[in-house]
Amino acid sequence: DAKTTQPPSMDCAEGRAANLPCNHSTISGNEYVYWYRQIHSQGPQYIIHGLKNNETNEMASLIITEDRKSSTLILPHATLRDTAVYYCIVKPSAGANSKLTFGKGITLSVRP
Amino acid sequence: SAVISQKPSRDICQRGTSLTIQCQVDSQVTMMFWYRQQPGQSLTLIATANQGSEATYESGFVIDKFPISRPNLTFSTLTVSNLSPEDSSIYLCSVEDLDRGTSYNSPLHFGNGTRLTVT
Repeated sequence: DAKTTQPPSMDCAEGRAANLPCNHSTISGNEYVYWYRQIHSQGPQYIIHGLKNNETNEMASLIITEDRKSSTLILPHATLRDTAVYYCIVKPSAGANSKLTFGKGITLSVRP
Repeated sequence: SAVISQKPSRDICQRGTSLTIQCQVDSQVTMMFWYRQQPGQSLTLIATANQGSEATYESGFVIDKFPISRPNLTFSTLTVSNLSPEDSSIYLCSVEDLDRGTSYNSPLHFGNGTRLTVT
């Protein structure tokens, strides 16, 4: 049972920022927010994760609201290769259980 | 990140037969995870495989249908038995990426999967 809700799809223009929203209103204090993406015919690719602070890496930025009930993945300069299904997942940190439960994700289409 | 090799990358099998999928990792990992992705669907966890112990299966998946071996810290196999067309899916192996976190918050790294078609 996925604990997140995402819009089914969105699109953005190449070169512009893509802001992908995710709601996780029942998130617990020890749960991290993870983002993965799956490009057609490939396995899921890890993007970023965070607990409560905003995070940035070479791929994207993750903005988590102060109440932690929602987050936004930002791809600062989307390219055609960023077209993929993006999954927002919450996962507890307690114990050494890395079990991820995938929802339906959001399909991002980057248009030329 | 760990490099995961899955074999075969795809196969077409007849109903009633079995397919064994191999997952080889280039580094030692404690836990390995097997997922299934049915056509047009999201990923569903089948089981968690720890070396030296029985695999832990998720609800709806049973050992008789999906036997798993984990003989060492770099290798695992998933067998899909008594195949039916409903087993046509992509099967993915994944491991923790401890380069990007601790054992409590490390993300998973996935292979590219095995695409199974049952005729």
